[in-house]
Amino acid sequence: EAGVVQSPRYKIIEKKQPVAFWCNPISGHNTLYWYLQNLGQGPELLIRYENEEAVDDSQLPKDRFSAERLKGVDSTLKIQPAELGDSAVYLCASSSQGGDTGELFFGEGSRLTVL
Amino acid sequence: KNEVEQSPQNLTAQEGEFITINCSYSVGISALHWLQQHPGGGIVSLFMLSSGKKKHGRLIATINIQEKHSSLHITASHPRDSAVYICAVSKGSQGNLIFGKGTKLSVKP
Repeated sequence: EAGVVQSPRYKIIEKKQPVAFWCNPISGHNTLYWYLQNLGQGPELLIRYENEEAVDDSQLPKDRFSAERLKGVDSTLKIQPAELGDSAVYLCASSSQGGDTGELFFGEGSRLTVL
Repeated sequence: KNEVEQSPQNLTAQEGEFITINCSYSVGISALHWLQQHPGGGIVSLFMLSSGKKKHGRLIATINIQEKHSSLHITASHPRDSAVYICAVSKGSQGNLIFGKGTKLSVKP
């Protein structure tokens, strides 16, 4: 069975440009997470979905970041406009159990470089 | 102070050595996760535990709920074990995972 799939793996853009990341979770996983990971740091939650509902987006910088999971399956994370400080790895993860009590499965991540 | 603290931050070992990575947390948890991240790679879940001890191959994870402490042990370490090991705790159905900063392990041949 395929794991969590993310694309693109790498993206280089100039500041003020938009960028979008896509994630397809493991089939049947209701819970989907987007994390941001800076170099040398642990992942930080951006948003968590239970099916199509964003149940925790308190850490998402809503002035420039947006996310959607319209049909409760795959998800897109968008940044518009990107800033230099957005350079990081954006990780998607999914779980079959909500509430953070299930095992997490991570994608390979999307590494963003903003010039 | 971070809610999840790992030690050491960096660890260099010789192949074959027994390795211990520690994780302390300051909040009540429902589960603790040990994760492995290779350079340029995604994160792989190694263990999820809420009590006692779990073993998988050369990896052993233990947790002491009363002391709010967990350890990850690697027996007979190998260069392919070189990675960042991350501890994360779940505060239950109303909370999200809280991650430590990771321990960077390098095993020399």
